[in-house]
Amino acid sequence: NAGVTQTPKFQVLKTGQSMTLQCAQDMNHEYMSWYRQDPGMGLRLIHYSVGAGITDQGEVPNGYNVSRSTTEDFPLRLLSAAPSQTSVYFCASSMSNGQSTDTQYFGPGTRLTVL
Amino acid sequence: AQSVAQPEDQVNVAEGNPLTVKCTYSVSGNPYLFWYVQYPNRGLQFLLKYITGDNLVKGSYGFEAEFNKSQTSFHLKKPSALVSDSALYFCAVRDGNFGNEKLTFGTGTRLTIIP
Repeated sequence: NAGVTQTPKFQVLKTGQSMTLQCAQDMNHEYMSWYRQDPGMGLRLIHYSVGAGITDQGEVPNGYNVSRSTTEDFPLRLLSAAPSQTSVYFCASSMSNGQSTDTQYFGPGTRLTVL
Repeated sequence: AQSVAQPEDQVNVAEGNPLTVKCTYSVSGNPYLFWYVQYPNRGLQFLLKYITGDNLVKGSYGFEAEFNKSQTSFHLKKPSALVSDSALYFCAVRDGNFGNEKLTFGTGTRLTIIP
């Protein structure tokens, strides 16, 4: 049982390049989400999904796309990277029993630098 | 809208002394409150949560937190600090009246235990 895994751990991009951050969980969790962590700002929600085929925007969705074709995977796509997207990205998942009491479990993070 | 405030960016405590990391929240409905810890270059780890019931919640690594509805606070405490407790601590809140999993984080408090 690996929990929540993220790849890559580190990535450097040039402005305008595209890439996909991978996230997978093996706990059969319905709810998955992406956060970015910036100094002094805590964690901010980018996108989330309450189940396969369903996604929605969080607090800071601009510049990012997501899809959820399976329960296990929730990739985050940067279509045209900008220096403002330099950050540490965390994926999280929870069981989502509909009562909002579940604990979210976090992956180890991806540190992204956009030059 | 829900929000969390962690009024102290940095807390320093001598080893063996009690520690407190402060958190206040704002939600329109019932608050579900969480504490997470982040060690350097790692993802967030769940410490404890308050959903309902006893106002004093016990969690991992000897930490506990006290829910105070009148003061809208959920301070994290430990009776005797260890050097290994040095880390970044995040408080988070979810509105229990809504059937979604959106979690709002505070900006974090860096706890340093001085040997």
